[in-house]
Amino acid sequence: GNSVTQMEGPVTLSEEAFLTINCTYTATGYPSLFWYVQYPGEGLQLLLKATKADDKGSNKGFEATYRKETTSFHLEKGSVQVSDSAVYFCALSRNAGNNRKLIWGLGTSLAVNP
Amino acid sequence: GAVVSQHPSWVICKSGTSVKIECRSLDFQATTMFWYRQFPKQSLMLMATSNEGSKATYEQGVEKDKFLINHASLTLSTLTVTSAHPEDSSFYICSASGAEQYFGPGTRLTVT
Repeated sequence: GNSVTQMEGPVTLSEEAFLTINCTYTATGYPSLFWYVQYPGEGLQLLLKATKADDKGSNKGFEATYRKETTSFHLEKGSVQVSDSAVYFCALSRNAGNNRKLIWGLGTSLAVNP
Repeated sequence: GAVVSQHPSWVICKSGTSVKIECRSLDFQATTMFWYRQFPKQSLMLMATSNEGSKATYEQGVEKDKFLINHASLTLSTLTVTSAHPEDSSFYICSASGAEQYFGPGTRLTVT
């Protein structure tokens, strides 16, 4: 079946450090891939997405590339800030359109220290 | 951007009582809303898909009679946990489908 595996946290970094959060998936066909972020006390927000192989999603300095050969969608940021402290979720979807069921990873907590 | 609200943000109830959680899309209409459950240190578990004007579609293993979902309008879906028990204590999250899925801030339910 479809599944998402992401690295366990918590991840603790100093400000301006490089961030990688690994995400791999299992799915048939060509799923869409997403990263969501949950800031403390807030709802989940879409951070970035990619809908086909070799696509790169990017937003707020974060990037992730859809790698079909390695079934991965690792999240990276070159220089993290304290405000990036949050929980990050990798997810995939096999459905198209608005009726899109998401399959989630466990989430990775990131804490950035000044 | 699109905003989804949930009410209440947290609730404590006694075992055996029912609790209703509301999910509203504030600035857009959503024909489809989703209800999730999140356990500590675990991922989101999709409970059901709520479609405006029709019956909800429940995921395997989710009790329809226990978790009643009503999507009476394009901006409101409700989840009622009936005869709640301590094992129903959890964090419940809704999302509404617009251009993307937009998530509410969640409702913390504690059953004593």
